[in-house]
Amino acid sequence: DVQMLESGGDSIQPGGTLRLSCVASGFTFSTYAMSWVRQAPGKGLEWVSSMFGSGGDTYYPDSVRGRFTISRDDSKNTLYLQMNSLRVEDTAIYYCARSIPYWHFDLWGRGALVTVSS
Amino acid sequence: EIVLTQSPATLSLSPGERATLSCRASQSVSNYLTWYQQKPGQAPRLLIYDTSNRATGIPARFSGSGSGTDFTLTISSLEPEDFAVYYCQQRASWPITFGQGTRLEIK
Repeated sequence: DVQMLESGGDSIQPGGTLRLSCVASGFTFSTYAMSWVRQAPGKGLEWVSSMFGSGGDTYYPDSVRGRFTISRDDSKNTLYLQMNSLRVEDTAIYYCARSIPYWHFDLWGRGALVTVSS
Repeated sequence: EIVLTQSPATLSLSPGERATLSCRASQSVSNYLTWYQQKPGQAPRLLIYDTSNRATGIPARFSGSGSGTDFTLTISSLEPEDFAVYYCQQRASWPITFGQGTRLEIK
């Protein structure tokens, strides 16, 4: 089956660090650009980050630039999101999303919940 | 940043009726406008990309139109499974942005 599965979500205090992973299966991961999209509880969708293939350009909105880093390991079919200096407003479900050229999202994971609270 | 404004916020219709959802961009996005459907507890699902192209497996009752700043998602005859939240998204320029969503509810 073609799917993606996120992991690494947790409850964490403001200022903390967390790394999300997204393992892909059923398709040739290395040939796709990938993204992260989040959704705060009861709210709409917010784009978080995107990247082309390994070594390719990365993109972030101002809300996370300098705090979040997207990366990938194509040998492991895995996408990552390193999140530093977490804020209460980063609380959300984080989805990894496969990007078909470019940039709309045709395959989504189930999401990982990140809760930032003191 | 391109702001996408969806209207109405909530649309109450009955099965079999026609639904028309609007997405307006603060500046031109050419035809780089995408629509998603999201049901409670689920990830979004791609419906329409580049204004009018249905994604794989999407029924023909879903159609998209528009250009520049004004876009429409039309569901020709609502099925019970169509009641959900719909989001538009632009990929014309960074940052990628989404509309705030339209909730389509059963009347």
